Amino acid sequence: ETGVTQSPTHLIKTRGQQVTLRCSSQSGHNTVSWYQQALGQGPQFIFQYYREEENGRGNFPPRFSGLQFPNYSSELNVNALELDDSALYLCASSLAANTQYFGPGTRLTVL
Amino acid sequence: AQKVTQAQTEISVVEKEDVTLDCVYETRDTTYYLFWYKQPPSGELVFLIRRNSFDEQNEISGRYSWNFQKSTSSFNFTITASQVVDSAVYFCALSDGAGNNRKLIWGLGTSLAVNP
Repeated sequence: ETGVTQSPTHLIKTRGQQVTLRCSSQSGHNTVSWYQQALGQGPQFIFQYYREEENGRGNFPPRFSGLQFPNYSSELNVNALELDDSALYLCASSLAANTQYFGPGTRLTVL
Repeated sequence: AQKVTQAQTEISVVEKEDVTLDCVYETRDTTYYLFWYKQPPSGELVFLIRRNSFDEQNEISGRYSWNFQKSTSSFNFTITASQVVDSAVYFCALSDGAGNNRKLIWGLGTSLAVNP
């Protein structure tokens, strides 16, 4: 158990809808990173938040956005969902640039 | 550009066999970190080890051992006397960035099946 939690566990949406995924970081951690993992692939970095500021972004379009709250929990928002957005979304928390510990993930299905 | 290659897509062994998972990386950074994570069917990524680029000592933790060789840009992972519970997808990852931005760059993973 890493102490990193994510909600919801599973989610089904239709194309064009918007979705919000949530992550609670491990106690004492101030950094949250989000990854997208398509079936049979390695995780792909979406973005990272450090002390409530975006601290790096991967090759994802602006319809992927996020924020981090004062308690260091975080949200990932995806607008205008596309079929290719179907994936496992993983949140990882860390103390600054140290080892990232992952939550159980949210499996998003876009129909 | 940074890259991680795990050439073995799937490995199948019989319980108690030793198995080595290969990882080759590319980076221009002089300071970097390498990681191994385990992903069981439940989906959660479980941290196994972190190694920085200045520490080439091999590490052993129970049945797990890691061999880091900068000369060949490899960071291989060996499971000794494998067990059915070791069945999972194993990912090798490389840290990218400096300061407080440490995104991870991942290989495609190696799916290990340990059969009774």
